Amino acid sequence: QVQLVESGGGLVRPGGSLRLSCAASGFTFSDYYMAWVRQSPGKGLEWVSYVSGGSGYIYYADSVKGRFTISRDNAKKLLFLQMNSLRVEDTAVYYCARVDLHSYGLDYWGQGTLVTVSS
Amino acid sequence: EIVMTQSPATLSVSPGERGTLSCRASQSVSKNLAWYQQKPGQAPRLLIYGVSTRATGIPARFSGSGSETEFTLTISSLQSEDFALYYCQHYNEWPYTFGQGTKLDLK
Repeated sequence: QVQLVESGGGLVRPGGSLRLSCAASGFTFSDYYMAWVRQSPGKGLEWVSYVSGGSGYIYYADSVKGRFTISRDNAKKLLFLQMNSLRVEDTAVYYCARVDLHSYGLDYWGQGTLVTVSS
Repeated sequence: EIVMTQSPATLSVSPGERGTLSCRASQSVSKNLAWYQQKPGQAPRLLIYGVSTRATGIPARFSGSGSETEFTLTISSLQSEDFALYYCQHYNEWPYTFGQGTKLDLK
C-alpha cells in the first residue's frame, strides 16, 4: 500500500535552516509528481511546492520562493524540502503528498512533520 | 492568485440528514476542483477531483457538482464518521489554493 513518511521537523530559530525528507513506498515513485503542503492555524492549508517525476517541472508558492528548495531522489524514493532563512510564519505542520495522475488533487498524504520557528 | 471561499464556516446536521457544503472561486477554475476531508490529528484525505469524480474508496454518498466558480459537495446521508473538516482546492493555475474549510458538526 502507498505510504509516505516525513521526517526532519523540529524547533529552529528565525533565520535558520531545516531539511525535510519524505520516504515513499508502495508505488512507482518516479511516475508521480510530488508535493509539500503545510498547515498552520493562522493560514490553513497552503500548497508550498511541487516537483514533476523527472524533476523537470518545479513550482513554489511566492511565500517560500528563493528560500525553499524541493528535490527528489527517485532511486531512493525520497522527496526533500530544504528550508532556509526560516521565518516565524513558516511554523506549520508540513505534509508530503502524492499528486494524483488524473488531476492535481493530492491522493495520498504523509502524517506530517511539525516545524516550529521561534526564538 | 485565485481565492477559494467556503460556506458556511460551520454546518450542524443530524446523522442521516443531507449535508451541503459550498465553495466559491474568485475566478473561473473550470472543472479543476478537488474536495478533502480532514479529521483531528490526521492528514487531509482526497474525496473528489475533477468536480465530481470520487477518489478511490470514497463512498457513493459523497458527490460533487458545479463548474467555473460555484461548487458543491453533498453528503447524502450523514454517517457518524463524516463529521469532520472539509476543504476545497482548485488546480486551474499555479498557485493551487485551498478554501478555509467548513466544519461539519453533529447537531
